[in-house]
Amino acid sequence: GQQLNQSPQSMFIQEGEDVSMNCTSSSIFNTWLWYKQDPGEGPVLLIALYKAGELTSNGRLTAQFGITRKDSFLNISASIPSDVGIYFCAGSTGTASKLTFGTGTRLQVTL
Amino acid sequence: GAGVSQSPSNKVTEKGKDVELRCDPISGHTALYWYRQSLGQGLEFLIYFQGNSAPDKSGLPSDRFSAERTGGSVSTLTIQRTQQEDSAVYLCASSPTEYSYTFGSGTRLTVV
Repeated sequence: GQQLNQSPQSMFIQEGEDVSMNCTSSSIFNTWLWYKQDPGEGPVLLIALYKAGELTSNGRLTAQFGITRKDSFLNISASIPSDVGIYFCAGSTGTASKLTFGTGTRLQVTL
Repeated sequence: GAGVSQSPSNKVTEKGKDVELRCDPISGHTALYWYRQSLGQGLEFLIYFQGNSAPDKSGLPSDRFSAERTGGSVSTLTIQRTQQEDSAVYLCASSPTEYSYTFGSGTRLTVV
């Protein structure tokens, strides 16, 4: 099935550093979502974006819905060890419709 | 319950056997989804139930895969004549009428 292109695939950063990852699609989406998955668990929603150009924050996380509606980015500021995990972007074309997921960014944080 | 519950959490089966995976969604959530996640990969959409509407089966990889949702609540994903390539984590999610999903912890299926 279709997947969104997410980059980078993996990141190794030091505690306290800022992180940026993005997601691009050839299709337009009406909603962009960012999830985090810990080992052995299902993905957990971090941020939801509903309008093109929207910039939303959730604590140390900031995400933006691209103007073209074909991309989104997620920033994490001042990373901490518990930020370790896999981050997925996802796009939706309608209310509660199926999500198309990105390929994931694996984040590792060193002390 | 408070979250989406999936069972079993792990399943090892022999190639050629049938398996059933269960999902209990959050009470009141009208939408239910099944996704598959292969090792190190993103999530692949399988099937989507919304209320009493006909399910969207467009993601099912073959006719060996089927799913049902009884009474608008519990769902069962059935894989017949399992193959080794079916090995993956099968994730269920439910959603109210808004956009955000809540995922279960998944069933890790290993076909040997």
